[in-house]
Amino acid sequence: GQQLNQSPQSMFIQEGEDVSMNCTSSSIFNTWLWYKQDPGEGPVLLIALYKAGELTSNGRLTAQFGITRKDSFLNISASIPSDVGIYFCAGLRGGTASKLTFGTGTRLQVTL
Amino acid sequence: DGGITQSPKYLFRKEGQNVTLSCEQNLNHDAMYWYRQDPGQGLRLIYYSQIVNDFQKGDIAEGYSVSREKKESFPLTVTSAQKNPTAFYLCATGGGNGGYTFGSGTRLTVV
Repeated sequence: GQQLNQSPQSMFIQEGEDVSMNCTSSSIFNTWLWYKQDPGEGPVLLIALYKAGELTSNGRLTAQFGITRKDSFLNISASIPSDVGIYFCAGLRGGTASKLTFGTGTRLQVTL
Repeated sequence: DGGITQSPKYLFRKEGQNVTLSCEQNLNHDAMYWYRQDPGQGLRLIYYSQIVNDFQKGDIAEGYSVSREKKESFPLTVTSAQKNPTAFYLCATGGGNGGYTFGSGTRLTVV
């Protein structure tokens, strides 16, 4: 099945730095979602985006729904050690039988 | 309060043995999903169910089976036909806003 392309695949940053990651697709999605997975746990929803061009924040996190509807971006400002984990994007085309398509994940490690 | 519960957290399987992973939800969601995650990898869809008594194969259904006799429950059986079952298994439910709620996962190891 299709997976969305996420980049970077992994990143090491220092505490206090800002982080950017993105997710791209060859096809259009009507909803974009960002999840975070802590080690040994299930992913947790961070931000949901429902409209092209939409910019939404959740604390230090900001995500954007690309204007072409084929991409999305997630920024984390002033990273802290608990930001460590895997970040997944997910897209939904819509319709009653529609399923989420997940990205390949970005592994974030934060050093002190 | 509402949520999704997976059990057990850790499971060990001998070669040739079938094992069943439990997934229970009280979110009143119609849709439920099973994913497999290998170390350092993304999520791969095994099976999903949009409604009680109906389920569909995902991308990697071979060697797995499911049932959906109740809205609240969607157990996954890993059969002996699954040659490489060691992985982290995640169950999820689908809400009306498109987002999924995930359980905390079951780590299955073949011994």
